Amino acid sequence: QKEVEQNSGPLSVPEGAIASLNCTYSDRGSQSFFWYRQYSGKSPELIMFIYSNGDKEDGRFTAQLNKASQYVSLLIRDSQPSDSATYLCAARNQAGTALIFGKGTTLSVSS
Amino acid sequence: DTGVSQDPRHKITKRGQNVTFRCDPISEHNRLYWYRQTLGQGPEFLTYFQNEAQLEKSRLLSDRFSAERPKGSFSTLEIQRTEQGDSAMYLCASSQGEGYSPLHFGNGTRLTVT
Repeated sequence: QKEVEQNSGPLSVPEGAIASLNCTYSDRGSQSFFWYRQYSGKSPELIMFIYSNGDKEDGRFTAQLNKASQYVSLLIRDSQPSDSATYLCAARNQAGTALIFGKGTTLSVSS
Repeated sequence: DTGVSQDPRHKITKRGQNVTFRCDPISEHNRLYWYRQTLGQGPEFLTYFQNEAQLEKSRLLSDRFSAERPKGSFSTLEIQRTEQGDSAMYLCASSQGEGYSPLHFGNGTRLTVT
């Protein structure tokens, strides 16, 4: 059973700090990885995706991928209370079809 | 871009009844996915269509569940003889292509089985 593991949290950071969210995956055949944000009672919305080793930046968000360690992370700079949500990490399966999701990490940003 | 549309938003049914949900994907997307999500869990993959062909089904998908995508456009997910354990948010997503294409989710259908 291919899995994506995340620390469920909650992760609490003060406003303006950097939030670091981590994820590991078991399927070595996975080639692309996705971060989604989900507010309570809402559906997941895409933040960013990454498929090459290294860092990818988009505004306040940076995704990091290390395929050798099977590790993906998301950094949120200058965290805002509006960033408080559950962050879902997903890996595309080896067949390149479905996304396999972790359970999500709950982030709380206090003002 | 009208996004992925799901109907109904909420469904309350009694145990043993059949329910059907509808999903309209983003028009140019040829891939459509159904997921189920319960409280505190990430979305669990149920099934996947490329155009009208159902190419993959999860082992989670019991015989009471059936999905169709006639003509490669909208999709329906039917649950027969519902059980209380079927209570969940049912999410539909679509994507264009494979590999690196992200999934775009609809607002979901929340099912409550009493």
